[in-house]
Amino acid sequence: AQKITQTQPGMFVQEKEAVTLDCTYDTSDPSYGLFWYKQPSSGEMIFLIYQGSYDQQNATEGRYSLNFQKARKSANLVISASQLGDSAMYFCAMREGQAGGTSYGKLTFGQGTILTVHP
Amino acid sequence: DAGVTQSPTHLIKTRGQQVTLRCSPISGHKSVSWYQQVLGQGPQFIFQYYEKEERGRGNFPDRFSARQFPNYSSELNVNALLLGDSALYLCASSLVSGGPETQYFGPGTRLLVL
Repeated sequence: AQKITQTQPGMFVQEKEAVTLDCTYDTSDPSYGLFWYKQPSSGEMIFLIYQGSYDQQNATEGRYSLNFQKARKSANLVISASQLGDSAMYFCAMREGQAGGTSYGKLTFGQGTILTVHP
Repeated sequence: DAGVTQSPTHLIKTRGQQVTLRCSPISGHKSVSWYQQVLGQGPQFIFQYYEKEERGRGNFPDRFSARQFPNYSSELNVNALLLGDSALYLCASSLVSGGPETQYFGPGTRLLVL
């Protein structure tokens, strides 16, 4: 079974509008972290936002917020006030396990969603 | 502060050859992870090293090996290259301080095997 599922291969949004990118995950580990990365055409993965499994509040970083619904195992990324420079591939990723565990450093990525922002 | 650096940026090899990719982590970061990203897919975990010891290994053949040096830089070696090894190889560094351990990625090395 896929551990990270991103069901939207591509999304389009008008400049200055908000957009939500979907991510669902599958784990039996009570301790995990969820990450979103942006990958422009240059290839570099840019960290956007992090949500820990025990965090009580949804994470926010500037125009990025994470809609974390633990019971539904979803961690959707919301980008507000879209800009042309937001056009890129977006990846949801999960890290399972406690610090120091053998799998702690491994990130499992979804297939990504290509976001296109129209002027 | 400088981010994660990788060299070379691009590489062309032929089948059967060997390749070495290099990564320097963010200053102060002691952990380095390697990922392979085939075109159109998300990155796949290859290795993680922390304090010069292998902490994790993904589902990759023994042709893939890595090491970490005392200055925390790292090398990824791939022997007996196959066409399917053509990919973007990403290096990521993290503090491993017990916190969220966010991994910060370098620009990657694009490897083309002919």
